[in-house]
Amino acid sequence: AQSVSQHNHHVILSEAASLELGCNYSYGGTVNLFWYVQYPGQHLQLLLKYFSGDPLVKGIKGFEAEFIKSKFSFNLRKPSVQWSDTAEYFCAVHGSSNTGKLIFGQGTTLQVKP
Amino acid sequence: ETGVTQSPTHLIKTRGQQVTLRCSSQSGHNTVSWYQQALGQGPQFIFQYYREEENGRGNFPPRFSGLQFPNYSSELNVNALELDDSALYLCASSPEGPRETQYFGPGTRLLVL
Repeated sequence: AQSVSQHNHHVILSEAASLELGCNYSYGGTVNLFWYVQYPGQHLQLLLKYFSGDPLVKGIKGFEAEFIKSKFSFNLRKPSVQWSDTAEYFCAVHGSSNTGKLIFGQGTTLQVKP
Repeated sequence: ETGVTQSPTHLIKTRGQQVTLRCSSQSGHNTVSWYQQALGQGPQFIFQYYREEENGRGNFPPRFSGLQFPNYSSELNVNALELDDSALYLCASSPEGPRETQYFGPGTRLLVL
């Protein structure tokens, strides 16, 4: 069965520290990959996505992610986090078939200390 | 441009009751997907509607059913509520096809007592 694994469940960083959140998926076919963010009290928002082309994708608020097909990974990065980045981050995958079923990871809670 | 809206925002039901949740898709979007998000978990796919037809279903029992209307809004119905149905129910819409990017609404928080 297809699955998404986010290895870091809870991350605590100080402002200006660099961030990398891991995401691995299990599916051998063509995938569309997403990172969503859920700020406190707000709904899920799209941070960035990869469908095809350049495996390094840039999203909003200075986030980027790199698709490494050989490692089945789509890690999220930001060079310097801010207190406002405190949120829950979800990696998600579109796998097989024509349905739009998104498979989500468990989520990573990021806490940034001012 | 109005985003995805859901109603109600919160709901309390008792075990065995039935519930209907509603979703209005973003303007121009013809596909609606529903997800259940339990506390501390990622969203789990319930089903998707594309042009008023069910287009894929997750691992949920038949007491979870849905509809999509000609204006592309959608309903999620849950019969015979169980305690484990307590969760945040998310609706997402996407433009022009099931595999496009999904944009999420704020969710309906359901508590089953």
